[in-house]
Amino acid sequence: NAGVTQTPKFRVLKTGQSMTLLCAQDMNHEYMYWYRQDPGMGLRLIHYSVGEGTTAKGEVPDGYNVSRLKKQNFLLGLESAAPSQTSVYFCASSGLQRTHGNTIYFGEGSWLTVV
Amino acid sequence: GENVEQHPSTLSVQEGDSAVIKCTYSDSASNYFPWYKQELGKGPQLIIDIRSNVGEKKDQRIAVTLNKTAKHFSLHITETQPEDSAVYFCAASTGKSFGNEKLTFGTGTRLTIIP
Repeated sequence: NAGVTQTPKFRVLKTGQSMTLLCAQDMNHEYMYWYRQDPGMGLRLIHYSVGEGTTAKGEVPDGYNVSRLKKQNFLLGLESAAPSQTSVYFCASSGLQRTHGNTIYFGEGSWLTVV
Repeated sequence: GENVEQHPSTLSVQEGDSAVIKCTYSDSASNYFPWYKQELGKGPQLIIDIRSNVGEKKDQRIAVTLNKTAKHFSLHITETQPEDSAVYFCAASTGKSFGNEKLTFGTGTRLTIIP
């Protein structure tokens, strides 16, 4: 059981380049999330999805786009990378509270450096 | 919105001693308080959570206490072991029935167990 899988694990981008982070979960969870983690700032929600075909903005959405074309996948895109987007990105998922409780399952992270 | 403050940012304790991490929250509507453990190079993992209808919850060596009046909650780890060394995050949300998109994290505590 893989849980939540993120790719790539490490990436270096030049300012202005674009890229997509891929997230896949095999737990049939309805909800998926993208967080970023920066020193001294904890985890901040970028975007989330409450089901296939839906997306919504989180706390820090600017500069990012997301898509959820399939229930098991949640993609995070950077259209024009900036140094301020250097961070560790975590994908996460959770199921319906009535069946899965509130537990959020995190992937192992993607380290992104923008130079 | 919700604001979660976490203290201390770093904590070192002798193996076998107890460790306590404290968090305060601002939104009186919050009623779900999870704690996550993040080991080096890994994603956060839920270790214990508590809802506002109880004041304390225990799971072996870890316990969480909640004071709704004062809007603070704490993580207690007893008989600490080297494998408890990690970064711990508290979080708070209104615990809506359809997901965790309103989960706000604290800034983390780096716990080091000294052998």
